[in-house]
Amino acid sequence: GQQVMQIPQYQHVQEGEDFTTYCNSSTTLSNIQWYKQRPGGHPVFLIQLVKSGEVKKQKRLTFQFGEAKKNSSLHITATQTTDVGTYFCAVGTSGTYKYIFGTGTRLKVLA
Amino acid sequence: NAGVTQTPKFQVLKTGQSMTLQCAQDMNHEYMSWYRQDPGMGLRLIHYSVGAGITDQGEVPNGYNVSRSTTEDFPLRLLSAAPSQTSVYFCASSISRTGELFFGEGSRLTVL
Repeated sequence: GQQVMQIPQYQHVQEGEDFTTYCNSSTTLSNIQWYKQRPGGHPVFLIQLVKSGEVKKQKRLTFQFGEAKKNSSLHITATQTTDVGTYFCAVGTSGTYKYIFGTGTRLKVLA
Repeated sequence: NAGVTQTPKFQVLKTGQSMTLQCAQDMNHEYMSWYRQDPGMGLRLIHYSVGAGITDQGEVPNGYNVSRSTTEDFPLRLLSAAPSQTSVYFCASSISRTGELFFGEGSRLTVL
């Protein structure tokens, strides 16, 4: 079945440092979504990538979809304490109606 | 709009009891789904629905039942609760099967 791995599982950074999380799939994806979950909260949608090699930016966040559509990354430049939370990728595959989530990367930002 | 509403927020059950987690959305979304979240396991899909009268299994469907009689509601039933079902449950909806998911605030269930 569909397997989605996210690395790293945890990341502690000093405020101002950069952060990257990676999402890897065992199968070719039709699209990928990224979500952020604050401690004690629910996941909130950040962005969706559909095209091979696609790069999208939201202020300090940069999202990339791999050329083979099997992996993706989320990069945060100059982290802030407001970036604290768990970042999840969610993948969809052609012919299914399921969104499978990765295991998440928990980010802690030290002031 | 209230978005996605889940009730109850907290529930404690004894092993063998049954209960229903309620989920309602007021956005006229066709796609609804239930996830459970356990530490270190991320969000795992239990069941989903692509419209009224249509449901299907996700990654971890055993021990759970769903129905979708209306577009708005998608209840999740635990038939005979087990300690392994202790978790945080999230309901999510989307305007389409490829759209962004809107999550409820979650229901924390403890089975003793």
